[in-house]
Amino acid sequence: GAGVSQSPSNKVTEKGKDVELRCDPISGHTALYWYRQSLGQGLEFLIYFQGNSAPDKSGLPSDRFSAERTGGSVSTLTIQRTQQEDSAVYLCASRPGYTSYNEQFFGPGTRLTVL
Amino acid sequence: GIQVEQSPPDLILQEGANSTLRCNFSDSVNNLQWFHQNPWGQLINLFYIPSGTKQNGRLSATTVATERYSLLYISSSQTTDSGVYFCAVSPQGAQKLVFGQGTRLTINP
Repeated sequence: GAGVSQSPSNKVTEKGKDVELRCDPISGHTALYWYRQSLGQGLEFLIYFQGNSAPDKSGLPSDRFSAERTGGSVSTLTIQRTQQEDSAVYLCASRPGYTSYNEQFFGPGTRLTVL
Repeated sequence: GIQVEQSPPDLILQEGANSTLRCNFSDSVNNLQWFHQNPWGQLINLFYIPSGTKQNGRLSATTVATERYSLLYISSSQTTDSGVYFCAVSPQGAQKLVFGQGTRLTINP
């Protein structure tokens, strides 16, 4: 079956602009995650959605970052007033079931470059 | 928070060699996964192994949860095995994955 898909694959933007990144999880997966991979920080958790529960936003680095998940499926990560330190690869993952006792599957990522 | 340490950070081998990658974690976990990040940046799932031993072809993994470590074995290495290998864990009570810094494996022909 289809895996996790993300769009765009690459995004170049100017400092101060807003960007939206999209994630389509594997069909039927109830959990969706966003992570970020940057040279200085490695792979780090940003936000977690599970069904209709309130999201775990504990990994978002600032209030310029927000995410939503519509209809329990597609998710959008929005970064407002982008800064150069936001440059990174943004990875989305999805997982079946309602506990962490299940495997996460990752999408190909969106490479964000802020000039 | 939980600490995840991978060793060695870099490993260079000739084709055909065997290798062992290690992942130590500082607290009890619900989930442990090994990934291979290919040159295009895609994270490929290798094993979901919070405990026990699994094998898949030339690759195998063992997690000793009581001693808080996991090992990934690669036998008869091929150049296509090159890339970065990540260990990631979910601490008990948490849903997210916490990643180690990775082991960069280079297999020379």
